[in-house]
Amino acid sequence: DGGITQSPKYLFRKEGQNVTLSCEQNLNHDAMYWYRQDPGQGLRLIYYSQIVNDFQKGDIAEGYSVSREKKESFPLTVTSAQKNPTAFYLCASSMAGGRNTEAFFGQGTRLTVV
Amino acid sequence: GQQLNQSPQSMFIQEGEDVSMNCTSSSIFNTWLWYKQDPGEGPVLLIALYKAGELTSNGRLTAQFGITRKDSFLNISASIPSDVGIYFCAGRQGAQKLVFGQGTRLTINP
Repeated sequence: DGGITQSPKYLFRKEGQNVTLSCEQNLNHDAMYWYRQDPGQGLRLIYYSQIVNDFQKGDIAEGYSVSREKKESFPLTVTSAQKNPTAFYLCASSMAGGRNTEAFFGQGTRLTVV
Repeated sequence: GQQLNQSPQSMFIQEGEDVSMNCTSSSIFNTWLWYKQDPGEGPVLLIALYKAGELTSNGRLTAQFGITRKDSFLNISASIPSDVGIYFCAGRQGAQKLVFGQGTRLTINP
């Protein structure tokens, strides 16, 4: 089945450690996105990429890094510089520009710093 | 960053009632999307709108792309318990990134 897959579903990290969240899609979408969601809040854009080997900062990029070496994959690294990393992280993908640019989301990764 | 104003922020209704929510923007969008998010899950696309004035239905859900291209509305008729969740609107200008509203949390009393 075509879709977008995030892993793991739950992730625990010790303070001071970097951690990488996986996002893979087989929808042949050009654009991919990472959002952060805090309890009772909306979605805030961390990074997005509209083409392989290119990405742009979103509204809350500090403390995060990404790469886009393959069209299918857009991993997000939460670094030790992120002061409050505990949150629900959502990855999405879409065609870039034009019509039929619906974004489809993965199931999310809940990151908890312990 | 750019924001959409989504209202209401929360709704508490009785089962069987109709629901209306909306999103407004100071900017013109050429795409409006409506999503529903269940607890602990990713948002699921409900309806996509691409043309000003467009009215689209998906079962008991109906959404409209405002004529001014600066707003969109979502209506749910005859609500049922599984309609509970958070509803998000999202808009896009051309090839720009999607912008999301803050969400409407729907609670239904049986």
